[in-house]
Order: sequence, then structure tokens, then C-alpha cells
Amino acid sequence: TQLLEQSPQFLSIQEGENLTVYCNSSSVFSSLQWYRQEPGEGPVLLVTVVTGGEVKKLKRLTFQFGDARKDSSLHITAAQPGDTGLYLCAGHPTQGGSEKLVFGKGTKLTVNP
Amino acid sequence: NAGVMQNPRHLVRRRGQEARLRCSPMKGHSHVYWYRQLPEEGLKFMVYLQKENIIDESGMPKERFSAEFPKEGPSILRIQQVVRGDSAAYFCASSPQTYEQYFGPGTRLTVT
Repeated sequence: TQLLEQSPQFLSIQEGENLTVYCNSSSVFSSLQWYRQEPGEGPVLLVTVVTGGEVKKLKRLTFQFGDARKDSSLHITAAQPGDTGLYLCAGHPTQGGSEKLVFGKGTKLTVNP
Repeated sequence: NAGVMQNPRHLVRRRGQEARLRCSPMKGHSHVYWYRQLPEEGLKFMVYLQKENIIDESGMPKERFSAEFPKEGPSILRIQQVVRGDSAAYFCASSPQTYEQYFGPGTRLTVT
């Protein structure tokens, strides 16, 4: 079973600070997605990365896929209270041949005003 | 373009009853996935379906759980004889023929 480990599990910061969330595995993934989930709602897709070394930017969010496609990071610049939420990484395993996603347990981010 | 729709949003069942969860994928999406999220746990894959076919059910419990995606109508996740341990949030996702899966708002099942 291919696992994704996210760190940190919890993160509480002040508005305006920068932060990085990590998603690591010992296995290779064919693609990796980042989602954000609000309480009582479903995950909302933020980005998909496919190529090793790929970097994607979405306003103040920067996503990176590791060269070996085993890890990824999400960096938020100048965090705002509206960024508060649960951030999930999920990947398509290279083993198994299915299109199922394997999820990390998430990073719960709180941005205080 | 409407997103993935799930109903009901909340479902309460007594032990031993049946639970039926419905999912309508996004327009144009022919792939449907079901995931379960337990408290303090990540989302776990249950089953992957295309129209009238179960493609991967490796995450489904062996007993009491079944899923279908008929030619017409929504996908259904059915849990027979529910037990307290079935209490969880159940999410449906759909995708076109790409990597990206789009999730619905979920059904919160509570078994009393």
C-alpha cells in the first residue's frame, strides 16, 4: 500500500506569515493533487501536479512536485484568515493500476487575524 | 455547470437498518468514486465505477456494502444492516478521463 504522510498535522499562525505544508512518501506517484476541505463540506481541488519537479502557482499558493515524484509541498505566502481549512494531499499510486486516490491525513491550518 | 451532487446530506439510521447514499456526477463525467472519512482519519477509497461496471472495489468491506452506477440515474452506495462503526462521512467524486477527481459535499451517516 502506498502511503502519504503529511506534516505538520496542525498549524496555527498569524495573518501575514508564510507557511509550508509537506506531503511525503517512500513510493512514486503518477500524479498528486492538493485539496482544501472546510468543515461539513467535501474536498475542493486546488491543483494537480504530474511531472517531477513541476511547480504551479495559484495566487499566493505555490505547489511543488518532487523530482522523484515521491513528495510534494504547498507554500502559502502572506497567509490570510480565509486560508483557514484542512489541506489534503492525494496521489494516484503507480502500483495497482486503478484510478483511486490515496490521501494523506491532512494539515489543519488556522490563520489568526 | 453543476458540481457533484450527493443526497441526503445527513442520514440517521438505527442499527440494523439499511442506508442508501446517492451521487450524481458532474455533467459529462463517466467515472465515479466513493470514499469514506472517519473522524480523525483521512479519506479512504472504497470503490470505483463506470456506467454499469464496477472497476475497482478493493476498498469495499466484504459484507453489507455494495455500489452501483446504472445506465440511467445516480450512483448508489448501499449499506445493509448498519452498525455504529459505519458512522462516517461518505464522499462521492467524479472525473472525466483525466487525473482530476471532483468531490461532492458528502453524506454524513450517523448510526444510533
